Amino acid sequence: EAQVTQNPRYLITVTGKKLTVTCSQNMNHEYMSWYRQDPGLGLRQIYYSMNVEVTDKGDVPEGYKVSRKEKRNFPLILESPSPNQTSLYFCASRGQGAYSYEQYFGPGTRLTVT
Amino acid sequence: GNSVTQMEGPVTLSEEAFLTINCTYTATGYPSLFWYVQYPGEGLQLLLKATKADDKGSNKGFEATYRKETTSFHLEKGSVQVSDSAVYFCALNPGGYQKVTFGIGTKLQVIP
Repeated sequence: EAQVTQNPRYLITVTGKKLTVTCSQNMNHEYMSWYRQDPGLGLRQIYYSMNVEVTDKGDVPEGYKVSRKEKRNFPLILESPSPNQTSLYFCASRGQGAYSYEQYFGPGTRLTVT
Repeated sequence: GNSVTQMEGPVTLSEEAFLTINCTYTATGYPSLFWYVQYPGEGLQLLLKATKADDKGSNKGFEATYRKETTSFHLEKGSVQVSDSAVYFCALNPGGYQKVTFGIGTKLQVIP
């Protein structure tokens, strides 16, 4: 089954404690991205990756890091989380090139930073 | 840059009512257009898409037509059900290496 998986689904942490949210896809997609979803703001892209070792900033990259060492994995790293990073996070992937390709989304990670 | 405009809602309808959620876009070239649906506690999933002007996407009783002259992609359903309660996102994909642009999402609540 084609899918994007994220872990953990729920996370409560404290300010400054480094954390990593994992993302993995099994569709051999080149393009992967991270979004955060906040009330009244919709989906905002944090980072994206066009292929292994190729990453770039999205609209709201401050306070986040990513890496793409393998095609299937695209972890999101918060080195020093702050309360304003409390949000619902989604990982997504899609095929490259063809503009008709849909995005596949993970189930989401709800992060609370106290 | 590209943009997608849709009302945030919430939109509250009675079961079997007619649904329209408006979506307009700004983009250069000829993007593909999508509607995604997010059920409570889940990620987004593709509802329907259209890849060129005058195309009609349809799925699960929902329809949307790609209107280039009015830069619109309005979502419609003739008779909504309680199970249609969700958040609906309009999106455009310019293609290639460019990012997908999402609307703010419209929350739909259908009451029995």
